[in-house]
Amino acid sequence: SYDLTQPPSLSVAPGQTATISCGGANLGTKGVHWYRQKAQAPELVIHDDTERPSGTPERFSGSKSGNTATLTIRRVEDGDEADYYCQVWDRNSNHIIFGGGTKLTVL
Amino acid sequence: QVQLQEAGPGLVKASETLSLTCTVSGHLVASGYYWTWIRQSPGKGLEWIGSKYYIGTSHYSPSLKGRVTISKNTSKNLFSLTLKSVTAADTALYFCAARVTVTNDIWFDSWGQGILVTVSS
Repeated sequence: SYDLTQPPSLSVAPGQTATISCGGANLGTKGVHWYRQKAQAPELVIHDDTERPSGTPERFSGSKSGNTATLTIRRVEDGDEADYYCQVWDRNSNHIIFGGGTKLTVL
Repeated sequence: QVQLQEAGPGLVKASETLSLTCTVSGHLVASGYYWTWIRQSPGKGLEWIGSKYYIGTSHYSPSLKGRVTISKNTSKNLFSLTLKSVTAADTALYFCAARVTVTNDIWFDSWGQGILVTVSS
């Protein structure tokens, strides 16, 4: 089965930059999508590696290099404290895979 | 704007069948791209359960295949989850999610609020 690996936790001071990684085999051939979960339902913040839906602050950006995708949050605010998940669609199996999630703590 | 709302019993007995519905407003289930169920066990991450594709095919998580069915009801504009022979391990917050526009990849920009289902012994 296909796995996505994220760091379990990350702590960042307000105003600093948070970078959350997501690693997986052959990730360069898959689109990576990112969700933020603050209260209950997850919310899409980045799709197709780098695309921001309307409503996602410009402080959020996505990138990918080789087998690692990265969600970057600049000028971190208290309200960014949440769990962040990456997700891919495996076209071969038609399965959806989520990373294990990263808990972002704002110090 | 697409809105999703889960409904169903919050308590199910072990060995019985869990049945949930997701009522859709703002888009027709008949024409949407990808209708999905996702769950989250207490304190854990997101787990994909399965999806109904717009062309009618269904895809399920290998860990649940054989117990799970996802179907659409176009007359009521909803889609459903059925999970048979539940155990305590199926206790989770269940989300319905969707991507209604056809795109080259699959991601979810519409989510329900989630419904907590507890399996009791």
